Amino acid sequence: NAGVTQTPKFRVLKTGQSMTLLCAQDMNHEYMYWYRQDPGMGLRLIHYSVGEGTTAKGEVPDGYNVSRLKKQNFLLGLESAAPSQTSVYFCASKRQTGTNTGELFFGEGSRLTVL
Amino acid sequence: AQTVTQSQPEMSVQEAETVTLSCTYDTSENNYYLFWYKQPPSRQMILVIRQEAYKQQNATENRFSVNFQKAAKSFSLKISDSQLGDTAMYFCAFMRTSGSRLTFGEGTQLTVNP
Repeated sequence: NAGVTQTPKFRVLKTGQSMTLLCAQDMNHEYMYWYRQDPGMGLRLIHYSVGEGTTAKGEVPDGYNVSRLKKQNFLLGLESAAPSQTSVYFCASKRQTGTNTGELFFGEGSRLTVL
Repeated sequence: AQTVTQSQPEMSVQEAETVTLSCTYDTSENNYYLFWYKQPPSRQMILVIRQEAYKQQNATENRFSVNFQKAAKSFSLKISDSQLGDTAMYFCAFMRTSGSRLTFGEGTQLTVNP
């Protein structure tokens, strides 16, 4: 069972470079999320999607863009990376209806360092 | 907006003893979920336990139980018979029943000592 898969797991960027994090889920979940984790701040929501073709801003969306062209994939883009975007990024998904709809399923995280 | 607060950045406990992690939240909602997630050094986020606000009975999962005080907006996690494998960061989280966003607390780093 793959669940939620994030690629890449690690990446080092220079300031101003761009990159895309890919999240894929095989559970047919409607909702998908991108969080960032920083020491002492828990996980903060960057963007999320409630269905294919839809996206919405979370708590800390500035400097990021997302796309959900296919239900199973949720992409997070950094157009011009900044050192403040050094973090661990988590993708998550959840079902919309049925039992236990509150539970999020997480990927293993992607560590991004911006020099 | 909902907020979740974990006032204990770090805690430690001896193996086989009991420890309680604190969490408070602020919301005007009446229907919601509360969760405790565990993040071991592997970085994987693992659901430990969940509580639905309309249920008065506290949730229990093996050695893990919660003390849910809805009026006080408090949701603490009790770990009994602590094991070395319980060493992890623990996050409290909130979600409206009708909502789509999960809000996390800052986390509590728990260390279980042999």
